[in-house]
Amino acid sequence: RKEVEQDPGPFNVPEGATVAFNCTYSNSASQSFFWYRQDCRKEPKLLMSVYSSGNEDGRFTAQLNRASQYISLLIRDSKLSDSATYLCVVNRNFNKFYFGSGTKLNVKP
Amino acid sequence: EAGVTQSPTHLIKTRGQQVTLRCSPISGHTSVYWYQQALGLGLQFLLWYDEGEERNRGNFPPRFSGRQFPNYSSELNVNALELEDSALYLCASSQRTGTEYNEQFFGPGTRLTVL
Repeated sequence: RKEVEQDPGPFNVPEGATVAFNCTYSNSASQSFFWYRQDCRKEPKLLMSVYSSGNEDGRFTAQLNRASQYISLLIRDSKLSDSATYLCVVNRNFNKFYFGSGTKLNVKP
Repeated sequence: EAGVTQSPTHLIKTRGQQVTLRCSPISGHTSVYWYQQALGLGLQFLLWYDEGEERNRGNFPPRFSGRQFPNYSSELNVNALELEDSALYLCASSQRTGTEYNEQFFGPGTRLTVL
């Protein structure tokens, strides 16, 4: 079983829509969680860390559900520039990072 | 503050050749990670170096190797190149706080094409 699993998508949404992605992780000992964004043929860039209490950064909200072992990313008021692949990353034992394969988002005009 | 840098940006090699890729982490970061990303696929973990030592290795053959220097920069070496080694090679660095490693920051990558 993979450490981190994501729906590959693509999620095709119109501008202004709200879209949410989930990511599940298999090991309950996982300690820290992140969302990265990767544009086509570019390097991943940190979007936000995910805290236990949930956190928000502008139009982006991240949540952690330890009981069900998933994290989520909600994007409100989608912009064309949000089109990218979103990678879920889980850190276990403080030093092992596991990357999901990514969820592709296409925001259409 | 300068980010993670990698060189070269692009490289074209032929099967059987050897290649060395270079990475300089963000100042103050002691950990360097190497990943392979083939076109359209996810990141595959290759190697992790911290404080000059190899700490972990992904499921890659021994012809993938590397090292980390005292200034924390790192090299990735690939011997006996095969066509399927064509990929974007990404380096990331992170900073340790106590026993915990913080989020990773990526360099722009080296795009390797093997003909």
